[in-house]
Amino acid sequence: QKEVEQNSGPLSVPEGAIASLNCTYSDRGSQSFFWYRQYSGKSPELIMFIYSNGDKEDGRFTAQLNKASQYVSLLIRDSQPSDSATYLCAVFPGGNNRKLIWGLGTSLAVNP
Amino acid sequence: ETGVTQSPTHLIKTRGQQVTLRCSSQSGHNTVSWYQQALGQGPQFIFQYYREEENGRGNFPPRFSGLQFPNYSSELNVNALELDDSALYLCASSARQGARTGELFFGEGSRLTVL
Repeated sequence: QKEVEQNSGPLSVPEGAIASLNCTYSDRGSQSFFWYRQYSGKSPELIMFIYSNGDKEDGRFTAQLNKASQYVSLLIRDSQPSDSATYLCAVFPGGNNRKLIWGLGTSLAVNP
Repeated sequence: ETGVTQSPTHLIKTRGQQVTLRCSSQSGHNTVSWYQQALGQGPQFIFQYYREEENGRGNFPPRFSGLQFPNYSSELNVNALELDDSALYLCASSARQGARTGELFFGEGSRLTVL
């Protein structure tokens, strides 16, 4: 059973701090990794994707991938109250399996 | 560029009834996936359609069925509704390009309540 695990939280950080969200996956052959943000009552929104080991930065967001340790993380710098949401990690196994494997999400609360 | 649109946004059904949910994919996207998301849970993959054929299915019973049309829009049909079918149903479109198929663009969802 291919799995993606996330700490459900809630993760609480003060405004302006760095929020660190982590995700581990079980399928060593996984090819690509995605972070989605979901506000309460809304649909998920893609915010970052990463395919290669290392860091990928986009504005205040940095995705980090370590395939050897099978984890992917999302850092949010200068956290804002508007970042308060559930962050979902999704992993694409690749090959003929077109099914994304989703974590249950980490709830982030940024306190003013 | 037109985003993903879903209808209806909210609906209430009773146990045993049937429901059809509709989705128009984002312009240029030929793949549509359907997800069920219960409160406090991550999205659960129902199935995916590419060029009008189902090419992936999650652990859902046959009473969950779907269609994709030549214009890439899609329908999700659920027969013999059960109370546990109450959830947010999400449609997501993507362009079928290798690993980038994980880049999904979601509609706002259809919230189904089964009484």
